[in-house]
This record gives sequence, C-alpha cells and structure tokens, in this order.
Amino acid sequence: DAKTTQPPSMDCAEGRAANLPCNHSTISGNEYVYWYRQIHSQGPQYIIHGLKNNETNEMASLIITEDRKSSTLILPHATLRDTAVYYCIVRSLNAGGTSYGKLTFGQGTILTVHP
Amino acid sequence: KAGVTQTPRYLIKTRGQQVTLSCSPISGHRSVSWYQQTPGQGLQFLFEYFSETQRNKGNFPGRFSGRQFSNSRSEMNVSTLELGDSALYLCASTTTGGSFYEQFFGPGTRLTVL
Repeated sequence: DAKTTQPPSMDCAEGRAANLPCNHSTISGNEYVYWYRQIHSQGPQYIIHGLKNNETNEMASLIITEDRKSSTLILPHATLRDTAVYYCIVRSLNAGGTSYGKLTFGQGTILTVHP
Repeated sequence: KAGVTQTPRYLIKTRGQQVTLSCSPISGHRSVSWYQQTPGQGLQFLFEYFSETQRNKGNFPGRFSGRQFSNSRSEMNVSTLELGDSALYLCASTTTGGSFYEQFFGPGTRLTVL
C-alpha cells in the first residue's frame, strides 16, 4: 500500500469547515483512499473512501485531485465532537483479497476544534 | 446490529505472564483483524483471520498469536509478557461488498504490564 503524508496537527473553529490534506504521491491505479478517525481512547471509525471521483456522505466530503496524488477530507461544519486524530490510508482492493483486513496507519492529523 | 465487542476492557499483568484477549465481530463478518496501539509506534497491524485461517500477519514476534473459531469469534494471545507490550489492543471486523470494505473497530482492551 502506498505511503501517505499528513500534517501532524490542525486547528479549526467550531461551525467552520475543516479541510484536512493528505499526500499520496505514489498511489497506484487500483488503490483507494480511505479516511478514518479516532476519538480519544476509542477504536478508529470509518469516515469515507474514494478512488478518483469526489465523494460525499453524511459525515464528510472527499476531494481527490485529478492526478490522484493528494486528497482533502472536508468536514463542512466542524463541531467540538469532531476533535480527533484523522488518518488517511491508501489501500488496494485486489481481486485476490489478500489485503482485506489490513490497514496501514500513519501518524495521522490531530484536529482540534475550538469553541 | 451489535458492534464489535472486546473483553476484557482493562487488564493488568506482570512480566513473564501470558494473556488472552477476546473479540466478537459483528454478526455476519468473517474477517477479524487485530491491532496494537502504543504512544510511540501508533497503530500497528498484528494479524487478520478469515474463516478460521490467518490471512495476513504483521511484523510482531512469535509471542503474539491468535486464532479464530467457527463462529468468527477471535482470540489473541501474548506469551511471556514484556513491559513494552503495554498497549491498547484493538480488534476490527470487516464487511465486504463489491469495492466497499469497511473495518469496524471495537473499543479495545487496555493491557498494562507491570
């Protein structure tokens, strides 16, 4: 799986959009971009994933650049409960399924939402 | 549906002892993965079981082992505990469907080795 680079920390005001960048310049064609977050002392929680198109769900939006070398997770209206460590993960979903259950976590971005 | 459950939630052991942690995946999930989280190394993949077989393994010594039962419940065992094994141990079960693979994590077992 390709390596990712994220800023170690970011701040955001409550109610504003939080834009978390991720660089994955060595991503290959069959690799997806996944985002998880971990609120203090809890297990990580899935947020969103995408291949090359922008994606949106009830939690967030994912913007992937056309060359797929970077992406941005957008939390449109951040709340205090969004304070967490956010992990950007690149993984392949090959037909053989050998990487199904393995996620390679980096250090992530600590997002702090301020009142 | 009930989420991933892990028992016990907290555990204190001494060096040299062994420990067994348990994980019950979400009903219908056949893949169970284990991770170790420490302040220094972050979240690291230990191993994955699918249909009672180990399918993936991370870079951990042989003291770390696991197994999966026919009902998909999984256990991991750490023998000859060391101080450095103090960590949060997370279990996750995976759902599959087309290109969508999502891992659901349990709350973890906090292991302290004295």
